[in-house]
Amino acid sequence: GENVEQHPSTLSVQEGDSAVIKCTYSDSASNYFPWYKQELGKRPQLIIDIRSNVGEKKDQRIAVTLNKTAKHFSLHITETQPEDSAVYFCAASWGTYKYIFGTGTRLKVLA
Amino acid sequence: GAVVSQHPSWVICKSGTSVKIECRSLDFQATTMFWYRQFPKQSLMLMATSNEGSKATYEQGVEKDKFLINHASLTLSTLTVTSAHPEDSSFYICSALPLTGGDQPQHFGDGTRLSIL
Repeated sequence: GENVEQHPSTLSVQEGDSAVIKCTYSDSASNYFPWYKQELGKRPQLIIDIRSNVGEKKDQRIAVTLNKTAKHFSLHITETQPEDSAVYFCAASWGTYKYIFGTGTRLKVLA
Repeated sequence: GAVVSQHPSWVICKSGTSVKIECRSLDFQATTMFWYRQFPKQSLMLMATSNEGSKATYEQGVEKDKFLINHASLTLSTLTVTSAHPEDSSFYICSALPLTGGDQPQHFGDGTRLSIL
């Protein structure tokens, strides 16, 4: 069945450094890839998304890249800040609008 | 915009009780809503897809008679956990997809923490 793998499961970086989280999806028909940030006990919040007709998208300190051939997409956070600490989830979606979420990455930004 | 309200936020009840959770899209219409379950430190697991005016589509392994879903209007979906037991304790989150469809982000509610004693 459809599957999204996400790595790493935990990531610790020093404040100001960059963080990269990678996801791999199994269904080549996937065409929409959102990234969500979830703080403890709260709702997932969309931070950036990318569609299959685009290779890269950037929004201030956050960027996402997509390699359709390899079925990989990655989240890049530059100049990390303590408030970036949270759990990040990638997801892949296709015509049914159903999301398959990755397993999550717990990011800790050390001050 | 795109606010999803979920109630209640926290429920504690005795084993055998049925619990209803509401998910409302406040400022948009949603043909499709989704119900997820999340265990501590784990990912969101899709339970079912709720479509207005039709039966919900359940994921493999999710008991439809245990988790009753009703999507009676374009702004409201409900999840009822019937005869809840301690193993049903979890964080339940709904999301809604705007009526305009296409490749759009789902908008999530705040979640409901269910604790069955």
